Amino acid sequence: KAGVTQTPRYLIKTRGQQVTLSCSPISGHRSVSWYQQTPGQGLQFLFEYFSETQRNKGNFPGRFSGRQFSNSRSEMNVSTLELGDSALYLCASNGGGGTYEQYFGPGTRLTVT
Amino acid sequence: AQSVAQPEDQVNVAEGNPLTVKCTYSVSGNPYLFWYVQYPNRGLQFLLKYITGDNLVKGSYGFEAEFNKSQTSFHLKKPSALVSDSALYFCAVRVFSGGYNKLIFGAGTRLAVHP
Repeated sequence: KAGVTQTPRYLIKTRGQQVTLSCSPISGHRSVSWYQQTPGQGLQFLFEYFSETQRNKGNFPGRFSGRQFSNSRSEMNVSTLELGDSALYLCASNGGGGTYEQYFGPGTRLTVT
Repeated sequence: AQSVAQPEDQVNVAEGNPLTVKCTYSVSGNPYLFWYVQYPNRGLQFLLKYITGDNLVKGSYGFEAEFNKSQTSFHLKKPSALVSDSALYFCAVRVFSGGYNKLIFGAGTRLAVHP
């Protein structure tokens, strides 16, 4: 069974630009969560999608948004990038059936200059 | 507030010795606890979880964790450390609110196993 894939793996953007990151969950998983990892703040929950609906959101500004498609693939978008948005963005594919396990992709390393 | 604490930024162990990585939690209700490991430039890998049942949980790569309700702890252990175990370890708790849930992670503990 293929794992979680995230594209691109690395990205360099300039302040003020916007960026879109993509995540494909494990086949059959309908829920996807996104996290931001930084040295200072650690791992922070961004949002969770289930069957194309956002059902949980972390404490991030509105510049951070996401969506999920009918095939469960998910994208997150960050608009008006700031230097502090430089981070590793991790996508997790959520196993259902009461397992509560999350399987993480390799992440997208975003650098804002 | 619901939270997870990993009191040690780094743990140093000699290869072959037992290792313990500490984790304490604060949640309302029954805790759903997890350990993840992160290798450089990689995502997080699931190690083990405690949902209910036996307090000693066995996971991947020879790791185990002991759930202690009275001490609100969920320490990760391994009887004999390997150099390849050197990585960043995260404890996490799943919290439920308003019918939805999310993982709250500790700050992470860097494990260094020396030959």
